[in-house]
Amino acid sequence: EDKVVQSPLSLVVHEGDTVTLNCSYEVTNFRSLLWYKQEKKAPTFLFMLTSSGIEKKSGRLSSILDKKELFSILNITATQTGDSAIYLCAVSGGTSYGKLTFGQGTILTVHP
Amino acid sequence: DVKVTQSSRYLVKRTGEKVFLECVQDMDHENMFWYRQDPGLGLRLIYFSYDVKMKEKGDIPEGYSVSREKKERFSLILESASTNQTSMYLCASRQGGRTYYGYTFGSGTRLTVV
Repeated sequence: EDKVVQSPLSLVVHEGDTVTLNCSYEVTNFRSLLWYKQEKKAPTFLFMLTSSGIEKKSGRLSSILDKKELFSILNITATQTGDSAIYLCAVSGGTSYGKLTFGQGTILTVHP
Repeated sequence: DVKVTQSSRYLVKRTGEKVFLECVQDMDHENMFWYRQDPGLGLRLIYFSYDVKMKEKGDIPEGYSVSREKKERFSLILESASTNQTSMYLCASRQGGRTYYGYTFGSGTRLTVV
């Protein structure tokens, strides 16, 4: 059975802090790992990772994949209150349809 | 702007009712998905459809069925709603064959069964 595990499940920080979110997986026929940010409504796409060791970066957010150890991290530097959200990790794998298996999510709260 | 639209943002239904959750996408996507989201459990796949009139069970299909008569519309049906089906329901779509890529999500329907 495909499995994705995120840690921590929740995190409370102050503005300006740096946070690291973790995602480990066990998936057959791995294709890609994706990170999403979810505020009050629809999850929005952050990154897609397919190759080990290549960092993806967007502003203060960055992510990297380790396909040997089967995990990924999402880093957020200089956090702001607008970063408060649920961060979802998902892995595409399984059958030829490549359905996404999601982790539990990490709830990040950034206080002023 | 491409969209996945779920017909209701909030819904309250009684135990035993038959409930229809509707999802429409305007991107001509072949693949469509229904997930439910619960605290501490993340998103769990209920059903998906890789093309019109096709459907596949996900990880938690019990108590649910689906219908995909047209490409743009994917309906989730709760045959006899129960309180343990109180949850956030998310619909998503993706172009067929793009198995590496993520989905476009709808805004979700928060269903409460009383």
